[in-house]
Amino acid sequence: AQSVSQHNHHVILSEAASLELGCNYSYGGTVNLFWYVQYPGQHLQLLLKYFSGDPLVKGIKGFEAEFIKSKFSFNLRKPSVQWSDTAEYFCAVNAREYGNKLVFGAGTILRVKS
Amino acid sequence: NAGVTQTPKFRVLKTGQSMTLLCAQDMNHEYMYWYRQDPGMGLRLIHYSVGEGTTAKGEVPDGYNVSRLKKQNFLLGLESAAPSQTSVYFCASSLNPPMYEQYFGPGTRLTVT
Repeated sequence: AQSVSQHNHHVILSEAASLELGCNYSYGGTVNLFWYVQYPGQHLQLLLKYFSGDPLVKGIKGFEAEFIKSKFSFNLRKPSVQWSDTAEYFCAVNAREYGNKLVFGAGTILRVKS
Repeated sequence: NAGVTQTPKFRVLKTGQSMTLLCAQDMNHEYMYWYRQDPGMGLRLIHYSVGEGTTAKGEVPDGYNVSRLKKQNFLLGLESAAPSQTSVYFCASSLNPPMYEQYFGPGTRLTVT
């Protein structure tokens, strides 16, 4: 089945540690890729998005993601996390073959220890 | 500019009761969506609308109905609530996909006992 996979459901890091959250998708053809973040008690907000061009995308709050087409991946990275990055992170894919609807991964809950 | 708003924020229903969740957006977006969020399952699309007067089924439409009588409003109805519909419901809106992000409301936490 077509899907979006986030490999880690829970991640615990200490402040200043580096972060990488994996995201893989199974859609062929043209895709648009997103990372959303949900801080505790808040609604989903866009972190960054990739449509075309440079596969390394920079978003808000120091986050970046790299689109690797050959690996069907769009991993999220941050060199040094802060306590305020504690949140749930969702990868989402918009695929033309899926009628341009957004499909979300299961989410990764990140807890940053101060 | 309030963005996307949802009412109510919380609701407890008994099995078999009905209710309507209201979503409103003030960004003049054509597209609106209803999702449910369950632990470990991410967000799943229930229904969506590509414009006033149109609706379509998403991934998990059973047990829900929707209406888009006005461009700015998208209603989600539960005719006969079931415990399996206990979830957090998010509404979102966007300009024409796929180039544009979706903007989300604050969510409605629904418990069906």
